[in-house]
Amino acid sequence: DAGVTQSPTHLIKTRGQQVTLRCSPKSGHDTVSWYQQALGQGPQFIFQYYEEEERQRGNFPDRFSGHQFPNYSSELNVNALLLGDSALYLCASSWGIGETQYFGPGTRLLVL
Amino acid sequence: AQSVTQLDSQVPVFEEAPVELRCNYSSSVSVYLFWYVQYPNQGLQLLLKYLSGSTLVKGINGFEAEFNKSQTSFHLRKPSVHISDTAEYFCAALNTNAGKSTFGDGTTLTVKP
Repeated sequence: DAGVTQSPTHLIKTRGQQVTLRCSPKSGHDTVSWYQQALGQGPQFIFQYYEEEERQRGNFPDRFSGHQFPNYSSELNVNALLLGDSALYLCASSWGIGETQYFGPGTRLLVL
Repeated sequence: AQSVTQLDSQVPVFEEAPVELRCNYSSSVSVYLFWYVQYPNQGLQLLLKYLSGSTLVKGINGFEAEFNKSQTSFHLRKPSVHISDTAEYFCAALNTNAGKSTFGDGTTLTVKP
């Protein structure tokens, strides 16, 4: 049974560029949440997708957007990258909103 | 709104000694509580969870945690640690209505030989 997978594992971008990160949920899960983990900190909630709609959003600017596909996989898009966007981006999946979340290995983004 | 406070940023301990990592939470809504472990350059692995019922929950790798409603705490314990337990540990509270998890800042557990 495959767990949560994310791609790519690492990414280097320059300021002002745009980036797309991808996530495939654990088999049987229909809800995907995205978190940003800055170095030395705990993960911060970005947003959550269920039934292809954004259901909850954390305190992140509109530069952060996402999408969920019919197969429940998800993308996180960040526009106009800033140096401060450098972080580990974690995807978590669950079977429904408010259920146990299982995390992927993350995508480490470095913005130069 | 909810918040999670991990009371110790770093916990050094000798191999085979017991350890306790402390976590307090605050929430105005119903939450589930979790402990996750993160090894260097990896994602979060679920150690254990408290949803309801017995206040003592057992997880993987010999870890257990006790939910204390009156003290709003969810401390993680292990009776005898190994070198391989060296990692970052995160306590989290999941809002069961909104599906959003709030994490503490983490506790670095370092097990010394």
